[in-house]
Amino acid sequence: EPEVTQTPSHQVTQMGQEVILRCVPISNHLYFYWYRQILGQKVEFLVSFYNNEISEKSEIFDDQFSVERPDGSNFTLKIRSTKLEDSAMYFCASSESGPQGGNSPLHFGNGTRLTVT
Amino acid sequence: AQSVAQPEDQVNVAEGNPLTVKCTYSVSGNPYLFWYVQYPNRGLQFLLKYITGDNLVKGSYGFEAEFNKSQTSFHLKKPSALVSDSALYFCAVRDDGNNRLAFGKGNQVVVIP
Repeated sequence: EPEVTQTPSHQVTQMGQEVILRCVPISNHLYFYWYRQILGQKVEFLVSFYNNEISEKSEIFDDQFSVERPDGSNFTLKIRSTKLEDSAMYFCASSESGPQGGNSPLHFGNGTRLTVT
Repeated sequence: AQSVAQPEDQVNVAEGNPLTVKCTYSVSGNPYLFWYVQYPNRGLQFLLKYITGDNLVKGSYGFEAEFNKSQTSFHLKKPSALVSDSALYFCAVRDDGNNRLAFGKGNQVVVIP
């Protein structure tokens, strides 16, 4: 069964540094997402991406965050200057269609644990 | 804005007994409801969804969920729990035309042998 893959599985960085989290969505999926889960808290929506542009973003997704689909397979999340409170598990997800297309479920990767020191 | 409440932190059940994980939701439009399961160090795995139609939805691994519009609930159920069902379960809701899933805080299910 096709999977969403994320690299690295664990990233440690110092406060103020830039990090790029990488994801390879399922190949025929058109919608891409980033969510995060701070330890012990709920899974939170960050951003959705469709047709090479952001379709929706949350209040968390401020100017420090950006997403990109640099080629036909990768989907990246960049945090420009990391803060301690950015420490979390970051999940990439993809879906075949979006709200207007039958609400196909999201398929999640195993996540990247980001630790900011 | 849509939201989900999962009132219990942990659900303990003996193996072979029925399992219920509770979820209530709040949306302004029509709800699209989902259940996901998370095993340690893994991503969320889709179990089942309700979009429209029959209120009882059947999903993976013998799980089912019942949509109740009057009670705004979407409880997850399994008639006979297995030890391997021990995991974290998340309920999620999406609103009409909205691209984001709102997750509950999750319920830890512990199935006791």
